[in-house]
Amino acid sequence: QKEVEQNSGPLSVPEGAIASLNCTYSDRGSQSFFWYRQYSGKSPELIMFIYSNGDKEDGRFTAQLNKASQYVSLLIRDSQPSDSATYLCAEQGGGATNKLIFGTGTLLAVQP
Amino acid sequence: NAGVTQTPKFRILKIGQSMTLQCAQDMNHNYMYWYRQDPGMGLKLIYYSVGAGITDKGEVPNGYNVSRSTTEDFPLRLELAAPSQTSVYFCASSHLRGPRGEQYFGPGTRLTVT
Repeated sequence: QKEVEQNSGPLSVPEGAIASLNCTYSDRGSQSFFWYRQYSGKSPELIMFIYSNGDKEDGRFTAQLNKASQYVSLLIRDSQPSDSATYLCAEQGGGATNKLIFGTGTLLAVQP
Repeated sequence: NAGVTQTPKFRILKIGQSMTLQCAQDMNHNYMYWYRQDPGMGLKLIYYSVGAGITDKGEVPNGYNVSRSTTEDFPLRLELAAPSQTSVYFCASSHLRGPRGEQYFGPGTRLTVT
């Protein structure tokens, strides 16, 4: 059974700080990883995807992937109250279906 | 483009009733998915489709059925609704295979079974 594990939080950080969200996965064959943001009562929206070991930066967001440790993280620099949401980590295995396995999400609260 | 649309937004069903959740996308995506999300939980895949006429089960298919007669539409059928099917249902679609196969989500249908 493939699993994606996330700490449910809440993770509370002050405005302007760096928020660090972590995710571990069980399937060594997983190829790609996605971070989605979900505001309360809304649908998930993609922030970033990563499929190579190392870091990938996009504005205030940096995704980090370590396949040897089966670990993926999302860093949010200069956190804003508008970043307060649940962050879902998802892994995509191989195959022709693009299926995603989601973690349960981490609730981030940015305090003004 | 409207993206992925879902109807209805909300629905209350009595135990044993049936209904169809509608999903449509106008992006010409081949891949479509149905998820359910229970409070405080991640998304669980119910069914998916890789193209018109091709569907397959996900993690939690029991109590549901799907069909895919066109590229655009992917309805989800609930037969004999049960309280355990109270959830928020999301439809999603994607175009590319592999690591850039981003899934775009619809706004969701909030279903309560009493």
